[in-house]
Amino acid sequence: RKEVEQDPGPFNVPEGATVAFNCTYSNSASQSFFWYRQDCRKEPKLLMSVYSSGNEDGRFTAQLNRASQYISLLIRDSKLSDSATYLCVVKGGTGGFKTIFGAGTRLFVKA
Amino acid sequence: EAGVFQSPRYKIIEKKQPVAFWCNPISGHNTLYWYLQNLGQGPELLIRYENEEAVDDSQLPKDRFSAERLKGVDSTLKIQPAELGDSAVYLCASSGASQSSYNEQFFGPGTRLTVL
Repeated sequence: RKEVEQDPGPFNVPEGATVAFNCTYSNSASQSFFWYRQDCRKEPKLLMSVYSSGNEDGRFTAQLNRASQYISLLIRDSKLSDSATYLCVVKGGTGGFKTIFGAGTRLFVKA
Repeated sequence: EAGVFQSPRYKIIEKKQPVAFWCNPISGHNTLYWYLQNLGQGPELLIRYENEEAVDDSQLPKDRFSAERLKGVDSTLKIQPAELGDSAVYLCASSGASQSSYNEQFFGPGTRLTVL
């Protein structure tokens, strides 16, 4: 079992749709969580951190469920520009600040 | 504009040849990471530096890969000899002091390596 698992997709959604991604992690001692966005042939960039209380940034909402060991990302009112790969990132645990990336979920938003 | 710089951006070599990648992190960032990314996969950590010390190199294939970060700033990653399976994108990232577990990692554009 991979330490961080994501549905690879692709998710094909129309503009304006709401789409949600989940990510599960295996190490219960993990300490911090993130969603990164990666455009085709570009480097990953931080989209948002994921806090225990959940957090929202505009159309994006991230949540953490420690009991079930998963994090989620909700995108409302999808835009064409949201088309990208979304990487789930888990950091920390017994190994210190080890950072583990999921394989990513591909999103295509169509007009 | 401040950012993580990497060179070269692209490299094509024949198998068994050596290759080196260079990374200049964001000024003041103590932590430097080298990742390998294959197509359709997320970045996989090769090595992490805190200043000039390699604090996590458990995933670095030490028989052919080596890295250094002299003076705790720039870093180089070397492969000698390269194999066909080393074809991938090599990403460098940096972040501020590691005491905060929520430090953002800033990535460079990567070096796309093709081994023929």
